[in-house]
Amino acid sequence: RKEVEQDPGPFNVPEGATVAFNCTYSNSASQSFFWYRQDCRKEPKLLMSVYSSGNEDGRFTAQLNRASQYISLLIRDSKLSDSATYLCVVILRGNKLVFGAGTILRVKS
Amino acid sequence: GAVVSQHPSWVICKSGTSVKIECRSLDFQATTMFWYRQFPKQSLMLMATSNEGSKATYEQGVEKDKFLINHASLTLSTLTVTSAHPEDSSFYICSATGTGGFYEQFFGPGTRLTVL
Repeated sequence: RKEVEQDPGPFNVPEGATVAFNCTYSNSASQSFFWYRQDCRKEPKLLMSVYSSGNEDGRFTAQLNRASQYISLLIRDSKLSDSATYLCVVILRGNKLVFGAGTILRVKS
Repeated sequence: GAVVSQHPSWVICKSGTSVKIECRSLDFQATTMFWYRQFPKQSLMLMATSNEGSKATYEQGVEKDKFLINHASLTLSTLTVTSAHPEDSSFYICSATGTGGFYEQFFGPGTRLTVL
């Protein structure tokens, strides 16, 4: 079983739509959680950290459920510029990042 | 945010040659640098972790004699793919952490290696 699993998509949505991505992780000892964004042929960039209490940054809301080992990302009012691959990232121990394979989002006008 | 550069951004080489990729932190001192590899439609996979002045720690399944890592200064780490073969063709990305905490990894733009 993969350490971090994501639905690969693609999610094709119209502008203005709300879209949600899910991610599950296998190791209950995982310490920290993040969502990264990766554009085609580019490096990943940190989108936001994920906390049990949930956190929001503008149109983006992230949520962590430790009991279910589940992480989510909600994007409201999708923009064309949101089109990218969204990577779920977990830190198991120390400073080792473990990446999911990513979920592709395509926002269309 | 902190800036990490990589050179070259892409390289095409013949099978059997060695390729060196540089990773530099431009405006901060990187105590730790990480090397990742990403095959098409797959996740980034950590290859190794390197700390300045010490030997790199390789992940399971990564051949240390094939992927030579040198972290000679606080701003430069190099990855040399020795005797490259077509199956080594991939997107190689480095990242670096400074003093902001282990989760603040700043990624380089990546190097696309194609081995013919």
